[in-house]
Amino acid sequence: EPEVTQTPSHQVTQMGQEVILRCVPISNHLYFYWYRQILGQKVEFLVSFYNNEISEKSEIFDDQFSVERPDGSNFTLKIRSTKLEDSAMYFCASGQTLNQPQHFGDGTRLSIL
Amino acid sequence: KQEVTQIPAALSVPEGENLVLNCSFTDSAIYNLQWFRQDPGKGLTSLLLIQSSQREQTSGRLNASLDKSSGRSTLYIAASQPGDSATYLCAVSPYNFNKFYFGSGTKLNVKP
Repeated sequence: EPEVTQTPSHQVTQMGQEVILRCVPISNHLYFYWYRQILGQKVEFLVSFYNNEISEKSEIFDDQFSVERPDGSNFTLKIRSTKLEDSAMYFCASGQTLNQPQHFGDGTRLSIL
Repeated sequence: KQEVTQIPAALSVPEGENLVLNCSFTDSAIYNLQWFRQDPGKGLTSLLLIQSSQREQTSGRLNASLDKSSGRSTLYIAASQPGDSATYLCAVSPYNFNKFYFGSGTKLNVKP
């Protein structure tokens, strides 16, 4: 069964550094998402992306965050200048339509030192 | 802002029991509701999606119901098995918004 893949599985970065999290959504999906889950807390929506542009973003998704779909297969989340509070599990998800389930990757654990 | 609550936070049952997990949401103007399973250190596995016009969805031993007017959904698991042990998450998508609000989850332990 097709799946969403995320790399790396674990990323350790110094505070203030830039980090790029990568995702390969399911190939025929058109809607792409990033979520994060801080340890012990709820899964939080960050951003949704459709037709090569952001369709929704949360208040968490400020100017230090950006997303890109550089080619037909990858979907990336960039954090420009990381902070300690960015430490979390970041999940990528994709969906074929808004009426179909979202499928999640296994996540990237981001640790900011 | 939509708030999603799941009760109970944790549940431990003996194998073979039927059980119900609850999800409530504050704004009934939803587009759809999705139930997920999360295993430790893993991503979320989609279990069932109910659109706002539907009352329930079934997949194998799982049945999810939706009462939009009262802001409630339940996930019924029949004949529970140890392999069902995981955290179950409920998420709602507001009408006209392309995003999900998640509950905190119910951590289920099915004892052999």
